[in-house]
Amino acid sequence: NAGVTQTPKFQVLKTGQSMTLQCAQDMNHNSMYWYRQDPGMGLRLIYYSASEGTTDKGEVPNGYNVSRLNKREFSLRLESAAPSQTSVYFCASSDRNSGNTIYFGEGSWLTVV
Amino acid sequence: QQQVKQSPQSLIVQKGGISIINCAYENTAFDYFPWYQQFPGKGPALLIAIRPDVSEKKEGRFTISFNKSAKQFSLHIMDSQPGDSATYFCAAHPTNKLIFGTGTLLAVQP
Repeated sequence: NAGVTQTPKFQVLKTGQSMTLQCAQDMNHNSMYWYRQDPGMGLRLIYYSASEGTTDKGEVPNGYNVSRLNKREFSLRLESAAPSQTSVYFCASSDRNSGNTIYFGEGSWLTVV
Repeated sequence: QQQVKQSPQSLIVQKGGISIINCAYENTAFDYFPWYQQFPGKGPALLIAIRPDVSEKKEGRFTISFNKSAKQFSLHIMDSQPGDSATYFCAAHPTNKLIFGTGTLLAVQP
């Protein structure tokens, strides 16, 4: 049981380049999330999807777009990367049947130079 | 802006001691308060959680104390071990998402 799988694990981008972080979960969860983690800032919610076909902004959505491709997959796109987007990105999923427990992937380390 | 405030930012405890991490929240509509543990290079994982209808929950060496009137909750790690060294996040649950605190880096010295 893989849980939440995200790719790539590491990526270096130049300012202005675009890229997509991919995420898939195999737990049949309805809700999926993208968080970023920065030193001293904790985990901040970028976007979330409460169910297939819906997406909502979190605390820090600027500069990002998301797509809930199907129930399993939730991607995060940086259209024009900026150095301020250098961070560790975590995808996560949850479901009411899991008692609101959020399960995280192992993270994607993104550096924008 | 919904917030969860966490302290201290870092904590050093001797092996066998008690580690205490505190959190405060603002929104009385929050209905679920988990603590997550994160080891270096890994994603956070649920450690223990509490709902506001109880004042304390204990699982092994880990205890959450919850004070609804003060809007505060804390994590106590009894008999702290070097293997407990990690970053700990408190969180609170409004509808459909979790709001996290800023994290506490715990180091347990042997």
